[in-house]
Amino acid sequence: QVQLVQSGGEVKKPGASVKVSCKASGYAFSSYGISWVRQAPGQGLEWMGWIYAYNGNTNYARKFQGRVTMTTDTSTSTAYMELRSLRSDDTAVYYCAKKNRGVIPPENWGQGTLVTVSS
Amino acid sequence: DIQLTQSPSFLSASVGDRVTITCRASQGISNYLAWYQQKPGKAPKLLIYSASTLQSGVPSRFSGSGSGTEFTLTITSLQPEDFATYYCQQLNTYPLTFGGGTRVDIK
Repeated sequence: QVQLVQSGGEVKKPGASVKVSCKASGYAFSSYGISWVRQAPGQGLEWMGWIYAYNGNTNYARKFQGRVTMTTDTSTSTAYMELRSLRSDDTAVYYCAKKNRGVIPPENWGQGTLVTVSS
Repeated sequence: DIQLTQSPSFLSASVGDRVTITCRASQGISNYLAWYQQKPGKAPKLLIYSASTLQSGVPSRFSGSGSGTEFTLTITSLQPEDFATYYCQQLNTYPLTFGGGTRVDIK
């Protein structure tokens, strides 16, 4: 079955960077993409972008452009999301999800990674 | 960016009730709308996509309808496990956006 296992929680200081990993199994990783969505404490969901594993093409939300980099390692079926210049309002749970082809939304999600930004 | 406005933001209901949640888009999105259920501390769970297509394994008491700018999620005969927060998401235009959520609580 499809599984996405994310790295553990992180505590970072303002201005630092964080890199969250998402290890996929149970499907042909290179044939799909990975989406990233975040959720601040007590708040709603926010789409950050996606990356296609097979060619590395990305589509970032304008809000994060210049601060986020999404990558994949097809040899280990792992996706990464790096967010730089962290601020306190970046404190959130970050989710990865298997991006389906076309406009079918993801049904497989990681368990989430809490990133806390605090001085 | 396309704004999605969900209403109500909170509702209190009893087991067995019929519940309807509305999602309005700031511009037309055809039928590129999904509904998710989220419970505390858990990832969102896909319920419906393409406005009305039930995701495999989701109980038939969930249904979706709508097109263009107005969409609804209906839960017939609310069950104890349905108390959660529900989000709509549009997949028509980047950036993909979510509604603000509707929390369904036990009356």
